[in-house]
Amino acid sequence: KAGVTQTPRYLIKTRGQQVTLSCSPISGHRSVSWYQQTPGQGLQFLFEYFSETQRNKGNFPGRFSGRQFSNSRSEMNVSTLELGDSALYLCASSLQGRGEQFFGPGTRLTVL
Amino acid sequence: GESVGLHLPTLSVQEGDNSIINCAYSNSASDYFIWYKQESGKGPQFIIDIRSNMDKRQGQRVTVLLNKTVKHLSLQIAATQPGDSAVYFCAETDPWMDSSYKLIFGSGTRLLVRP
Repeated sequence: KAGVTQTPRYLIKTRGQQVTLSCSPISGHRSVSWYQQTPGQGLQFLFEYFSETQRNKGNFPGRFSGRQFSNSRSEMNVSTLELGDSALYLCASSLQGRGEQFFGPGTRLTVL
Repeated sequence: GESVGLHLPTLSVQEGDNSIINCAYSNSASDYFIWYKQESGKGPQFIIDIRSNMDKRQGQRVTVLLNKTVKHLSLQIAATQPGDSAVYFCAETDPWMDSSYKLIFGSGTRLLVRP
């Protein structure tokens, strides 16, 4: 069974731009969560989607948004990029949202 | 590889020795805990989990201990191997969301295994 995939793996953007990251969960998994990882703040929860609905949200500004499609694939969008948005963005999937979460390799975003 | 933390506490152990990684969690109401391993350039990988109604759980070469009185979690790795070198995170869950788990991660510990 294929694992969680994330695209692209690396991305370089400039301040003020916007970016869209994609996550394909493990087949059959309906819950997708997104996390931001930085050296200073560690791993922080962004949001969780289940059956195309956002069920849970972390403490991030409204510039961070996401969505989930009917095939459970998810995208997250960051608008008006700031230097501090440079991070590794991780996606995790699970069957129902409870229990073990399987992480993808992440997308490394660099904002210049 | 990618750095997951510039100032992580580091545990250095000799190959073959046992390792103990500690974690203090924040919420006394947390009911589910997970240990993850993250290698350079990869996402976190599940190691073992434990629910709050248990004190100890064993896996293959790993044991997790939970002390709810002092809000402390530990991961014991037996006969540590070079492949165990990684950053280890504990995570607790937000108990207020019945429908899903929101993982709250600790800051991580870097484990270095000396040959």
